[in-house]
Amino acid sequence: QITLKESGPTLVKPTQTLTLTCTFSGFSLTTSGVGVGWIRQPPGKALEWLALIYWDDDKRYSPSLKSRLTITKDTSKNQVVLTVTNMDPVDTATYYCARDYWNGYGYYFDYWGQGTLVTVSS
Amino acid sequence: SSELTQDPAVSVALGQTVRITCQGDSLRHYSARWYQQRPGQAPVLVIYGKNNRPSGIPDRFSGSTSGNTGSLTITGAQAEDEADYYCNSRDTSGYPLFGGGTKLTVL
Repeated sequence: QITLKESGPTLVKPTQTLTLTCTFSGFSLTTSGVGVGWIRQPPGKALEWLALIYWDDDKRYSPSLKSRLTITKDTSKNQVVLTVTNMDPVDTATYYCARDYWNGYGYYFDYWGQGTLVTVSS
Repeated sequence: SSELTQDPAVSVALGQTVRITCQGDSLRHYSARWYQQRPGQAPVLVIYGKNNRPSGIPDRFSGSTSGNTGSLTITGAQAEDEADYYCNSRDTSGYPLFGGGTKLTVL
């Protein structure tokens, strides 16, 4: 059974750095073709991809947010960590982590965490 | 263009067929994936690849991609299909793209 779960603060102040952890089970981030990504969704708005990290430590970032994002993995703990610097109220959103999987048809996000709502406010 | 465009809202009568579409240049090279999101819940993958359904997704869901347009078809829509639907692809750099979402109402 594959599960992912996001954890981190629910409230951050403007200019602070947000650190979110995705803890997963049922798969390994050392397996070829596997990645974990972060996607966010502001209240009432669409999904927005943020970052990806793959089994070989290849990292991808949204071009519009690249300067503020860092993604890392700890394979021994089955965790992926996302940091977002200089948080602003417009970054208020539910943040999801999801497994990115390749099976020959291309990559797709096949399993998602429940999401964690992060509010940016002073 | 590295965007995916969806109609904001679509409605369908109970038991009828509805098609939700997604347009974008990236779809010429990478078939659309589709996610269903019910209120307050995480997205769920319903279609991937050319037209593949994950285990547990009813066969009334089907997908296709032609040219720059991807389509999700629900044949015999049920009340529980009322949700937001998002298409997803990759741009030429391999970066994920999401459409703006379509709110499906089942009448």
